[in-house]
Amino acid sequence: AQSVTQLDSHVSVSEGTPVLLRCNYSSSYSPSLFWYVQHPNKGLQLLLKYTSAATLVKGINGFEAEFKKSETSFHLTKPSAHMSDAAEYFCVVSDGLISNAGKSTFGDGTTLTVKP
Amino acid sequence: NAGVMQNPRHLVRRRGQEARLRCSPMKGHSHVYWYRQLPEEGLKFMVYLQKENIIDESGMPKERFSAEFPKEGPSILRIQQVVRGDSAAYFCASSPTGTGSTEAFFGQGTRLTVV
Repeated sequence: AQSVTQLDSHVSVSEGTPVLLRCNYSSSYSPSLFWYVQHPNKGLQLLLKYTSAATLVKGINGFEAEFKKSETSFHLTKPSAHMSDAAEYFCVVSDGLISNAGKSTFGDGTTLTVKP
Repeated sequence: NAGVMQNPRHLVRRRGQEARLRCSPMKGHSHVYWYRQLPEEGLKFMVYLQKENIIDESGMPKERFSAEFPKEGPSILRIQQVVRGDSAAYFCASSPTGTGSTEAFFGQGTRLTVV
């Protein structure tokens, strides 16, 4: 069984300040973990993924996430927020190597607001 | 290589009508997954299909919803006698294999509005 909890439903930051979106997961096996971004009325864009290689994962648009097994966390960070980062962010877990990547479990999402 | 293609992007149906949502997986992908995103919520898994087979439909509502992935052509998610509560975004994803795949690729979604 797998589950994911996004600890904040809304995060608001000022432009140019750091972003932290928190995610905790549980998985019966070694999980694959993903962060997706969804802009209003748009599809899903993959930001980054962890699949048992390096624990610090770098993604697109300056985002990165660190897999911490001891804390069962996969928090998303960015050093400096940009106005265009305002969107909904989803943390996703998948027992991909045992089950299949398509049957993933999504968190409820975190809405990121960026203030000028 | 085109990504996962879903059509239509937007669909409006009156209560009681049927909705048909189409998904063409990425080239070379034979595994398709459907998800539903209700307003203000994350995506919830509905069904997993391979060509001509339903592998896992544990997330599908028991009535009115069906899915197929024929030998030729796109995967179809069919909703009969739609109700207001069916209004949602429906996303399709595909992967090249089942077990062992580390990522599924998502389409842009179909936004169904029931009026």
